[in-house]
Amino acid sequence: GDSVTQMEGPVTLSEEAFLTINCTYTATGYPSLFWYVQYPGEGLQLLLKATKADDKGSNKGFEATYRKETTSFHLEKGSVQVSDSAVYFCALNRDDKIIFGKGTRLHILP
Amino acid sequence: DAGITQSPRHKVTETGTPVTLRCHQTENHRYMYWYRQDPGHGLRLIHYSYGVKDTDKGEVSDGYSVSRSKTEDFLLTLESATSSQTSVYFCAISLDRGSNQPQHFGDGTRLSIL
Repeated sequence: GDSVTQMEGPVTLSEEAFLTINCTYTATGYPSLFWYVQYPGEGLQLLLKATKADDKGSNKGFEATYRKETTSFHLEKGSVQVSDSAVYFCALNRDDKIIFGKGTRLHILP
Repeated sequence: DAGITQSPRHKVTETGTPVTLRCHQTENHRYMYWYRQDPGHGLRLIHYSYGVKDTDKGEVSDGYSVSRSKTEDFLLTLESATSSQTSVYFCAISLDRGSNQPQHFGDGTRLSIL
């Protein structure tokens, strides 16, 4: 069945460092892909999405490109801030149901 | 703010007791979902609803039932709670069907079964 695999955390970076969180998926066809972010004590918030191959989703300085050839959707940010500390989930939408990766916890040190 | 309220936000109860969690939305969205979040598992779908009295099972539905008698409310019931159902439960809503539709989440209910 469909699945999402993302890098295990926690990931610890210094402020202003470059961030990459890897995400690969297994699915038939062309699902839509999402990144969600979860801040402590809160629910998940949609960060960005891409609906077809080569689409680039972007929001709040984060970017991810839908790569069909490598079945990947890696999350990147050029300069992270302490406020970016959270858990990040990669996900795909299949038949109106979202399949999530296990999440990657990100710690940003001042 | 997607207009989703989950209640209660925290609950502690004993094994064998029934528990009902409520999800209330003010967006008039047709599609609603219940997930549980556990360390090492991410979020897993329990049940979902495509409209009033139209519900179906998700990936981890055993031990759970749901009801949706009004568009705005989606109830999750643990008929006889077990310690394995200790988790954080999230409700989500979606405006429409289609693979490009995101879901919007409530703030969760932390449930502890002793």
